[in-house]
Amino acid sequence: SAVISQKPSRDICQRGTSLTIQCQVDSQVTMMFWYRQQPGQSLTLIATANQGSEATYESGFVIDKFPISRPNLTFSTLTVSNMSPEDSSIYLCSVGPEGIYGYTFGSGTRLTVV
Amino acid sequence: GQQVMQIPQYQHVQEGEDFTTYCNSSTTLSNIQWYKQRPGGHPVFLIQLVKSGEVKKQKRLTFQFGEAKKNSSLHITATQTTDVGTYFCAGEGGGTSYGKLTFGQGTILTVHP
Repeated sequence: SAVISQKPSRDICQRGTSLTIQCQVDSQVTMMFWYRQQPGQSLTLIATANQGSEATYESGFVIDKFPISRPNLTFSTLTVSNMSPEDSSIYLCSVGPEGIYGYTFGSGTRLTVV
Repeated sequence: GQQVMQIPQYQHVQEGEDFTTYCNSSTTLSNIQWYKQRPGGHPVFLIQLVKSGEVKKQKRLTFQFGEAKKNSSLHITATQTTDVGTYFCAGEGGGTSYGKLTFGQGTILTVHP
């Protein structure tokens, strides 16, 4: 299955600032996904990022707040803009499906906004 | 939109006891997947069920997909301390929902030695 390198692993940010999270995959993949997982909660899909097209956002998430780039088939970034404490969460990227390997997740970025 | 309900939210067992978590989707699914997330870790894929009534086993873990492809269960026989973590089901719809996983709330399993 694919191996994903996600950076940073954690960060503490001031409110009003922005943070860009990066995911690098060791193979070319068509779809990349960005999730949010609030502490002790389930995963919620933010958006789907396909190379060469605009990301598709789920209900409740907007491009101005979570701009996504997908410059090639192995890389994507998610920016959390104009952060507030409510954005404190774990953000994960994912790729797939990979047949019998399902979806693979990055190790996550634990974001704290103060 | 599609919703996936998962129960129980928490389960505390003594080592050696069995454990079961259940998922129910509001809509018919293309497939259902199960993931395990260790404390401080990220979700790791366990299995995918595609066919109506499908049953799959992985050592002490048994996964079932309902006949209507709307519910699923994960059963662990004789739990071990290494089974500790949160177990998530995730439903994948068909058509325009392809590739979009809707996760259940997860069941946090604690195993007491």
